[in-house]
Amino acid sequence: EPEVTQTPSHQVTQMGQEVILRCVPISNHLYFYWYRQILGQKVEFLVSFYNNEISEKSEIFDDQFSVERPDGSNFTLKIRSTKLEDSAMYFCAERRNNEQFFGPGTRLTVL
Amino acid sequence: QKEVEQNSGPLSVPEGAIASLNCTYSDRGSQSFFWYRQYSGKSPELIMSIYSNGDKEDGRFTAQLNKASQYVSLLIRDSQPSDSATYLCAVNFSGGYNKLIFGAGTRLAVHP
Repeated sequence: EPEVTQTPSHQVTQMGQEVILRCVPISNHLYFYWYRQILGQKVEFLVSFYNNEISEKSEIFDDQFSVERPDGSNFTLKIRSTKLEDSAMYFCAERRNNEQFFGPGTRLTVL
Repeated sequence: QKEVEQNSGPLSVPEGAIASLNCTYSDRGSQSFFWYRQYSGKSPELIMSIYSNGDKEDGRFTAQLNKASQYVSLLIRDSQPSDSATYLCAVNFSGGYNKLIFGAGTRLAVHP
């Protein structure tokens, strides 16, 4: 079965820099999600995206975060000014038949 | 605050035994429940979904749901060393756009 892909697999950045994480979901699906997992902690919901609009966001998803689907395929998460505490695994997920399937994740390291 | 609780473990079982993983959730109106497996450094992999009270079986895995007790469990029969991983319980709470709330996970260790 086709899988969600994410790039890059690992991103290292300096504090204060902008990063863009990319997700390529299976086409023709409408529901997408971003989650993050800080090392040793729970998987946390960030934002859901339905029909090219944000449908729900968590308290974590503040003004430094944004999501887009710029070209109808790739789905991006942008962090405008990274902080040390943004270091985590970031997963995108797509919903198929009420189930969510996760991509392999991007490990973000903020120095 | 909508929460999902799991025993962090580790749960250690011998190869061939049944592993029993448990999860409780706070929102009585929740409708959808999921078990994911996560190997170290990897993404969550969906194992089972369950929506109705009772048991749902898929191969060596059985999910059990009791909405009155707000309790969901996962049984793994004939446990194998390759089943050693962290098992995450996730709940789709009522009123949201299907966002998942995850428990902290239970680490399972199957020893030969």
